[in-house]
Amino acid sequence: GQNIDQPTEMTATEGAIVQINCTYQTSGFNGLFWYQQHAGEAPTFLSYNVLDGLEEKGRFSSFLSRSKGYSYLLLKELQMKDSASYLCAVLPPDRGSTLGRLYFGRGTQLTVWP
Amino acid sequence: EAQVTQNPRYLITVTGKKLTVTCSQNMNHEYMSWYRQDPGLGLRQIYYSMNVEVTDKGDVPEGYKVSRKEKRNFPLILESPSPNQTSLYFCASTPSRLAGPRTNTQYFGPGTRLTVL
Repeated sequence: GQNIDQPTEMTATEGAIVQINCTYQTSGFNGLFWYQQHAGEAPTFLSYNVLDGLEEKGRFSSFLSRSKGYSYLLLKELQMKDSASYLCAVLPPDRGSTLGRLYFGRGTQLTVWP
Repeated sequence: EAQVTQNPRYLITVTGKKLTVTCSQNMNHEYMSWYRQDPGLGLRQIYYSMNVEVTDKGDVPEGYKVSRKEKRNFPLILESPSPNQTSLYFCASTPSRLAGPRTNTQYFGPGTRLTVL
């Protein structure tokens, strides 16, 4: 089975740093994605981790620990436009029953206050 | 411009009236998927397709049908819609797995907001 857990809501102030955690228990693992989704819009790709460690991309960084089934998305220098839902998604291994699948968490709604 | 398109973007219909939501991608992607998104439940996969004429059920396939007769198109069919299918629907496409895991990000269409009365 697949179990992906992330907090439902978080709040932070402009200019601050926020860390959104994601834990997963899945039948195999072939990488973890983070997506950003503004209300009523399509999710957009933020990051992909398949090896342990931190990947930095501008104000956003993503960390993965495969042994702990844990990832986080770190957002620095928060801006009002960062208010959105952040989705964690796990890519299963390439097996016949999982080709084309991507398992999403329920998303973390981040609100950035001025 | 590389994109995934969906039509219609908004639809209000009545119970039992068959409808089709179209999805098309111009990136020559092999994989295509349909998701529904509901408050508190996140994105749930309805059906996915690994190539032309190859489709499989996702987590919530009941009440839906799909077809993949051409690589670029992946329509979602609701034969007899019911109010519990009121939702926001997203189509997505992904390059071939053979292209390597870093290309496996899914490209999402703009969404179709469906209301079944």
